[in-house]
Amino acid sequence: GQNIDQPTEMTATEGAIVQINCTYQTSGFNGLFWYQQHAGEAPTFLSYNVLDGLEEKGRFSSFLSRSKGYSYLLLKELQMKDSASYLCAVKDSNYQLIWGAGTKLIIKP
Amino acid sequence: DAGITQSPRHKVTETGTPVTLRCHQTENHRYMYWYRQDPGHGLRLIHYSYGVKDTDKGEVSDGYSVSRSKTEDFLLTLESATSSQTSVYFCAISESEGDTSYEQYFGPGTRLTVT
Repeated sequence: GQNIDQPTEMTATEGAIVQINCTYQTSGFNGLFWYQQHAGEAPTFLSYNVLDGLEEKGRFSSFLSRSKGYSYLLLKELQMKDSASYLCAVKDSNYQLIWGAGTKLIIKP
Repeated sequence: DAGITQSPRHKVTETGTPVTLRCHQTENHRYMYWYRQDPGHGLRLIHYSYGVKDTDKGEVSDGYSVSRSKTEDFLLTLESATSSQTSVYFCAISESEGDTSYEQYFGPGTRLTVT
């Protein structure tokens, strides 16, 4: 079967750094996506990785290791508005997105 | 923001009644998707479309049907709603699938409650 694992919930302090991990086992791999979802809203695209390594985009970075089936999303200089759920998704051999259940990130002052 | 709207945004219906949800896009994207989102689960694909009149089943298609008669509209129908179909439904669009870097853009969602 196909499986995406992420921690259910994480707590961090405003101004700090947090790393959200994602491990996957899928039938094929055609890229990994991170989305942000604020409560009651639609998911919005954050990042895409298809090759091993780190992709940096402002305060957010995403890392991929295909051999380990592992990715992480790194959020720096946390702000209260970063309180949201972060969804990891892998595009499988049929080009369909397989989604993790999401990590709820709570930011404390 | 991608031009995607969903209607209705909220609906309460009774078990056994038919329900149709509408997704409308103004981006002229070829691919459209219907997902449901439930606590403790990732987004789960119900049906998707790769063109007008071209649709296929997703992971959780039982009890749902879809139609796409125009590029811009993708309808999801629950023929006879059940309480297990209480969920938040998201429509998404994408320009491409084969070019794997293309992300999906999501509509605002429809919260459906079946009593």
